[in-house]
Amino acid sequence: GQQVMQIPQYQHVQEGEDFTTYCNSSTTLSNIQWYKQRPGGHPVFLIQLVKSGEVKKQKRLTFQFGEAKKNSSLHITATQTTDVGTYFCAGRLTGGGNKLTFGTGTQLKVEL
Amino acid sequence: DVKVTQSSRYLVKRTGEKVFLECVQDMDHENMFWYRQDPGLGLRLIYFSYDVKMKEKGDIPEGYSVSREKKERFSLILESASTNQTSMYLCASRPGGGTIKTQYFGPGTRLLVL
Repeated sequence: GQQVMQIPQYQHVQEGEDFTTYCNSSTTLSNIQWYKQRPGGHPVFLIQLVKSGEVKKQKRLTFQFGEAKKNSSLHITATQTTDVGTYFCAGRLTGGGNKLTFGTGTQLKVEL
Repeated sequence: DVKVTQSSRYLVKRTGEKVFLECVQDMDHENMFWYRQDPGLGLRLIYFSYDVKMKEKGDIPEGYSVSREKKERFSLILESASTNQTSMYLCASRPGGGTIKTQYFGPGTRLLVL
């Protein structure tokens, strides 16, 4: 079954509202990456977190890696229409070799 | 700037046909990957390759095969297409080395099997 789950699957927000997507793994991750896929586009790398408890910011986006390295979150402050898309987390599972396992994705829609 | 290209953006095939999806990257990356993307399931890894002529099964290899004769090219083959293989197929490449690095994706091929 799916080893990396994301919730929610869909989120509609009004422009200016905050948004958070959560990524949960059944096993420990050696790292976590986040990707954004615009409608009709392909996934584009946003960031990588490696250390337990790590927090990184990119303008209005805040990324966290859990202390146990089994979960992560992406928080967007004051969403804009340009934030529309699907956000995926991806990580290397412990014992999973040299490949990334992608999460199920969260589709974000932002309404004016 | 890394560029990953895929041979077709859209493809329509009939059940039982043999289908070839081609992927080319121009950054001399060792690792290449084929995923399929379906709503609610995210990206699922079909096959990957970490060197020329090397291949490894991903999470859902059944019904697919791959070929990597040259470093820059990674082909996905559907020996006998079936309707449940209708999906978006994404190719990706990544540099080699011990640590996981950024993956670069191609534009995707949307395959419809009738």
